[in-house]
Amino acid sequence: QKEVEQNSGPLSVPEGAIASLNCTYSDRVSQSFFWYRQYSGKSPELIMSIYSNGDKEDGRFTAQLNKASQYVSLLIRDSQPSDSATYLCAFATGTASKLTFGTGTRLQVTL
Amino acid sequence: EPEVTQTPSHQVTQMGQEVILRCVPISNHLYFYWYRQILGQKVEFLVSFYNNEISEKSEIFDDQFSVERPDGSNFTLKIRSTKLEDSAMYFCASSEKAEAFFGQGTRLTVV
Repeated sequence: QKEVEQNSGPLSVPEGAIASLNCTYSDRVSQSFFWYRQYSGKSPELIMSIYSNGDKEDGRFTAQLNKASQYVSLLIRDSQPSDSATYLCAFATGTASKLTFGTGTRLQVTL
Repeated sequence: EPEVTQTPSHQVTQMGQEVILRCVPISNHLYFYWYRQILGQKVEFLVSFYNNEISEKSEIFDDQFSVERPDGSNFTLKIRSTKLEDSAMYFCASSEKAEAFFGQGTRLTVV
């Protein structure tokens, strides 16, 4: 059974639109959830963390967590071509414990 | 802005040789990690390190691998008797608590 599931994409959105990225996880003891952005050939870059149910906003990014449904999402408002990357969902079961990553969703923002 | 630094950025080695990958974590972080990413695959956890000892390791992290903190700033991953399938990007990460920050990675190519 896959621990973290993401649609591999590519998800294509026009510049200025809202991109919606989704992730489901199987481990009910997961406590911490993260979104990383990874450009091709580069390392994962942390963009959002979320620990409790609900929404968390940071600039153009909003993370949403629903622990009952084991679902976490990332919304990117006013998408820019520079947002084109692979977005990795990850979770941890405790503070400073290992991260389990999904395979990532490739986002393409078109002009 | 503090960052995790890794050296070398690219390492080519012959099968059967030993390699040492080096990392300098962010200075006030207490938790250190190694992850790897085989080309086209997801980021996989190898090992976590806290208080000068391994706190968790994956099934991948067998006797071929070892980690060390030889001084107050460096954190190393040693891979003995390298195999072709060890070719991957190796990422070091560090965290103060839950949020882990990644270095730029070392691309290891075993020939």
